[in-house]
Amino acid sequence: GAGVSQSPRYKVAKRGQDVALRCDPISGHVSLFWYQQALGQGPEFLTYFQNEAQLDKSGLPSDRFFAERPEGSVSTLKIQRTQQEDSAVYLCASSPDGRDYEQYFGPGTRLTVT
Amino acid sequence: DAKTTQPNSMESNEEEPVHLPCNHSTISGTDYIHWYRQLPSQGPEYVIHGLTSNVNNRMASLAIAEDRKSSTLILHRATLRDAAVYYCILRDATSGTYKYIFGTGTRLKVLA
Repeated sequence: GAGVSQSPRYKVAKRGQDVALRCDPISGHVSLFWYQQALGQGPEFLTYFQNEAQLDKSGLPSDRFFAERPEGSVSTLKIQRTQQEDSAVYLCASSPDGRDYEQYFGPGTRLTVT
Repeated sequence: DAKTTQPNSMESNEEEPVHLPCNHSTISGTDYIHWYRQLPSQGPEYVIHGLTSNVNNRMASLAIAEDRKSSTLILHRATLRDAAVYYCILRDATSGTYKYIFGTGTRLKVLA
């Protein structure tokens, strides 16, 4: 079956531009996670949704980062006024209900801010 | 969140077993031990997880020390396709968000 998909796969933005990254989770998965992975590092948690409710946004690095999942399915991570330090791979993961199920990761979006 | 410690890198010969260690001395009773791996240019993928007993699946085995302060991921016959970064992660089963706290993992190199 279809896994988690993310688009675009690559994004180059000029410093100061706004970007929107999309995640299509596996159909029926209740939980959705966003992670940020800098080069050579492990993924770092950004935010978590259960259906449309954003239950944890403790990992968002600044108020320039905003995530939504309005209908409990597709999610968008938006970064306003991008900075060079935002350059990273942004990973989306979904799981059936988050409890102790495994998380299924998408391929990520590589964001480069120039 | 409890932390894990892994070697930065390991090497193995193809078709030999690989034992990837992980220390988690501050593990709590409700922490599950999860292993994920990340192949180049891909998102992490689930390998195995356990609480107290050793676990086996088609990909690997997980051996958990009796005091749970360490665990070992065992790949029974390494192939070139197993070259990846392997992450050992603790997750509190009672926490509300089920997020993973990744470390820097162990980069496994498999030699032909």
